Amino acid sequence: AQSVTQLDSHVSVSEGTPVLLRCNYSSSYSPSLFWYVQHPNKGLQLLLKYTSAATLVKGINGFEAEFKKSETSFHLTKPSAHMSDAAEYFCVVRDSNYQLIWGAGTKLIIKP
Amino acid sequence: GAVVSQHPSWVICKSGTSVKIECRSLDFQATTMFWYRQFPKQSLMLMATSNEGSKATYEQGVEKDKFLINHASLTLSTLTVTSAHPEDSSFYICSARGTGSGELFFGEGSRLTVL
Repeated sequence: AQSVTQLDSHVSVSEGTPVLLRCNYSSSYSPSLFWYVQHPNKGLQLLLKYTSAATLVKGINGFEAEFKKSETSFHLTKPSAHMSDAAEYFCVVRDSNYQLIWGAGTKLIIKP
Repeated sequence: GAVVSQHPSWVICKSGTSVKIECRSLDFQATTMFWYRQFPKQSLMLMATSNEGSKATYEQGVEKDKFLINHASLTLSTLTVTSAHPEDSSFYICSARGTGSGELFFGEGSRLTVL
């Protein structure tokens, strides 16, 4: 069975510094992986997705993630944090029935 | 990109009343829609999967008689919380999958507060 583990419930960085949100997954086959962002009182927005093409995936707002099969990881990064990046981020794996298995989420806090 | 609209975005109701939440795909036909519930400081929990024209498939532990799901057309699914109680207060989100790509698009969510 697939599962997703987001290793940090909260990450706090200063504005202008790099962001790293960690995600590990387990899957019995080659998965599709996603990162979603949820800003306060808003719906979910797709940041990026990996679907067995290039292992380095670029998304919106300067975010990117690298699929590492050997490490079963799909960490989300951004070179320089902006105040508007403060939100909750969810790592998601899609199973063979197109249903999504969600990580517990990581709250990103940006310090001025 | 494709748009999924939920209505209402915020609803407050009295305990014992029923509340209906709509999920519409605005510019594509959605053969499958999913309903999620988000508890405070927790991840999304899949409640049910609905396919147009057939009965919804509920996840284990979700009361089908309490959370009525109807997917009568390719652009509309509704979730009705019947006889709502304060413990039903939550953030409900729907997602819709188009006929082609399989990509999911999410609504903005509906925040239900039961007094």
